[in-house]
Amino acid sequence: QVQLQQSGPGLVKPSQTLSLTCAISGDSVSSNNAAWNWIRQSPSRGLEWLGRTYYRSKWYNNYAVSVKSRITINPDTSKNQFSLQLNAVTPEDTAVYYCARGDTTKDPYYFDSWGQGTLVTVSS
Amino acid sequence: DIVMTQSPLSLTVTPGEPASISCRSSQSLLNSNGFNYLDWYLQKPGQSPQVLIYLGSYRASGVPDRFSGSGSGTDFTLKISRVEAEDVGVYYCMQVLQSPTFGQGTKLEIK
Repeated sequence: QVQLQQSGPGLVKPSQTLSLTCAISGDSVSSNNAAWNWIRQSPSRGLEWLGRTYYRSKWYNNYAVSVKSRITINPDTSKNQFSLQLNAVTPEDTAVYYCARGDTTKDPYYFDSWGQGTLVTVSS
Repeated sequence: DIVMTQSPLSLTVTPGEPASISCRSSQSLLNSNGFNYLDWYLQKPGQSPQVLIYLGSYRASGVPDRFSGSGSGTDFTLKISRVEAEDVGVYYCMQVLQSPTFGQGTKLEIK
């Protein structure tokens, strides 16, 4: 059974960088059958997919258009984890952030394991 | 982006009675491979979402058979044949034909 454990600060100042990490157990970040996603949830925007990283002979990233200029998702094979960096945050980036595993053998996304969620507040 | 619209936004059901949630997409989710790229999730109170249905009508592993998904193109339905107390939460549809987008959610409460 795959488990995802999130870590990172719950408070970020405006214009700074939001950084979160998702540690994977029960699977490999380099799996050819999975993709590793970040999703956020806020009262104003609902559930919003942000992006993913996955390995298919080489590493790929896909990002949502809404955050494409500010987001980076990186795998860390040495620690079997992946990370989210969101630059130049504003109060609108305040949300609960989730990491999620996508089983790409089912459909292109199919989020079958989720982290516990991290509430990130953007405030000075 | 593909816009997903759910109805109703809230639902109160007596245990043992059926429930139905509708989801409409702004463009067809029917892929050339014949599959509808539409998933359903349930977010129970205080928990992360969990997948119920994928590709329109396929139940995820461990999901009770009282849950069923149907529809094609732009109109989809999630049905619960007999609601139980553990089914409370917010139900979301999500399209996976393009970068995923979610419906606004339907809150199910028990009467």
